[in-house]
Formats: sequence, C-alpha cells, structure tokens
Amino acid sequence: GAGVSQSPSNKVTEKGKDVELRCDPISGHTALYWYRQSLGQGLEFLIYFQGNSAPDKSGLPSDRFSAERTGGSVSTLTIQRTQQEDSAVYLCASSPGLASDTQYFGPGTRLTVL
Amino acid sequence: SQQGEEDPQALSIQEGENATMNCSYKTSINNLQWYRQNSGRGLVHLILIRSNEREKHSGRLRVTLDTSKKSSSLLITASRAADTASYFCATVQLGGSNYKLTFGKGTLLTVNP
Repeated sequence: GAGVSQSPSNKVTEKGKDVELRCDPISGHTALYWYRQSLGQGLEFLIYFQGNSAPDKSGLPSDRFSAERTGGSVSTLTIQRTQQEDSAVYLCASSPGLASDTQYFGPGTRLTVL
Repeated sequence: SQQGEEDPQALSIQEGENATMNCSYKTSINNLQWYRQNSGRGLVHLILIRSNEREKHSGRLRVTLDTSKKSSSLLITASRAADTASYFCATVQLGGSNYKLTFGKGTLLTVNP
C-alpha cells in the first residue's frame, strides 16, 4: 500500500513568514510523529499524536511551532514567524499503534528560511 | 538529546566487503532500530531488535544487541554500491516516553564500486 507522504517536498520562505507542512500517514495507522533533522542537532523528536490527540508536545522548540491532526489521519505542522534556525528537513512518521511499533517515515520536507 | 552514538562516523569500503557499524546508548530500552537514509531525505526502516533478543538477521543484515554493554552492531555483508547511505540507530526507551525514537548521529557508509 501507499507509504507516508509529505508535502511540499521543498519549501523556501522568507524570515518572518508562516509555513504549513503536511503529512499523510499510512492508512489505518493511529500514531503519527514529527521529527526534525538539522545539521547541528541531528534527528530530533518534535511531537506525537495518538489519534487526534497530542499527549506529548515536549519536543516542539518554541511556541511558534504547533501541530494538529484531523480525522485521525492528516497532520499539519505550522511554524509561525519563521527564523533561519528553523531551516531543516521535517520528517513525519506513522505506526500502527504505539509503544515500540516500527515507525514508517515519509520523504520529508526540506524547509529553507532565507 | 542524542541517546545513541554511532561509531564510526564515516566508513569507506570496497564493494563485496562487509561493513560493521556500532551504536551505544545510555538508558534502558524497549527496543533498538536501525534506519538507512539516502541523500538526507526519508528514513527507511531496516530492522528492529527487542531488548530480550540478542541477534537478528534480515537478508544481508545482521544486528546484535548487548544490553549489558548498552550497545548494538549492524553488519552488512557482501556490500554493494547501492548500500551507500547514512545509517542511524534509534532507541525506544523503556517506560516513560515509550513511543518516541531517540536517534544517534549516524554513520556515513560509502561503498566504492
């Protein structure tokens, strides 16, 4: 079946603008995760959804970052007032349930903030 | 913070040779997973080994886990140029946040034809 998809694949924006990144998980997967990969910080956990709820937002770097998930499916990660340090690849993953399931990753969105 | 630390950071070998990458971690784990990443984009899941397992095989991949030493190794046998990629170990912590993956910094493997 189809894997995790993310859009856009690349996004270039100006400092101070808002951006929205989209993730379509594998159908039927209840858990969804966002990670960020940057040169300086490696791969970092951002947020986790179980269904539409986000029990763990501990990885969000600042209050400029928010995420939502609707219908237990699509998720959107929003970054407001982007800064140059937000430049990174944003990866989404999904898994059938939670707690130790294999996570399946999308191709990522490369965000560049000028 | 990074839990896993891969060793070496970079590895260059000839096609047909075996490649061994190591990973160390700090806390008790539920499982450890290895991923491959090509060209800095999506991660491909390779293998998952649970804390009560010591060795696992998948095709040309062999993973070992030593929980007493908090370490794991990934062996790729008979390497191919297509195996060129970055390889990451990731752990799922025991208890607490038992869903999020904590990644190491990765090993860049180059297989020369």
